[in-house]
Amino acid sequence: SAVISQKPSRDICQRGTSLTIQCQVDSQVTMMFWYRQQPGQSLTLIATANQGSEATYESGFVIDKFPISRPNLTFSTLTVSNLSPEDSSIYLCSVGQGQEQFFGPGTRLTVL
Amino acid sequence: GDSVTQMEGPVTLSEEAFLTINCTYTATGYPSLFWYVQYPGEGLQLLLKATKADDKGSNKGFEATYRKETTSFHLEKGSVQVSDSAVYFCALSDSGYALNFGKGTSLLVTP
Repeated sequence: SAVISQKPSRDICQRGTSLTIQCQVDSQVTMMFWYRQQPGQSLTLIATANQGSEATYESGFVIDKFPISRPNLTFSTLTVSNLSPEDSSIYLCSVGQGQEQFFGPGTRLTVL
Repeated sequence: GDSVTQMEGPVTLSEEAFLTINCTYTATGYPSLFWYVQYPGEGLQLLLKATKADDKGSNKGFEATYRKETTSFHLEKGSVQVSDSAVYFCALSDSGYALNFGKGTSLLVTP
């Protein structure tokens, strides 16, 4: 199974600023995903990030707010831009291997 | 589109009680089904999975059977422990793409 790390593990940010979250995988994977878990809620898919192509965003999420990079098969970043308190969530990356998904530990973001 | 419906929580049980958490799904294809668990303060972990009809996934005493005829994947455990207290998410994945999660069911097991 893939081992996934995320940085930072948590952060507190001021509104109007941005936070970039890094996701590193210990093996090459084609498909990476970014999810948001708002307080007390389930996980919602933000976008799918495949290497060499533009990320595909789910309804309600736009590239200007959540730009994603995927420079190679082991790494991706998610930026949450122009932060507001409503962006306070846990952000998780995951990778698909076969028919399984493996999740990173998450980044807990608090926006003041 | 695809969707997952889980029973509402929270669920509170005494230690050694029998657990069932209901999960039903709608999907256009033949999805794989999963149960994930999130322990307090920890990340999401895969608990068990089933990839085709009639498959039974099992792990740590938990079981779930993929029932195509009832579009269900109910999670069961014969005797819960305090350490099973967590949030449980049912999810599906169609053709290896991203997961579609249910809303989660919080379980509290008391001594």
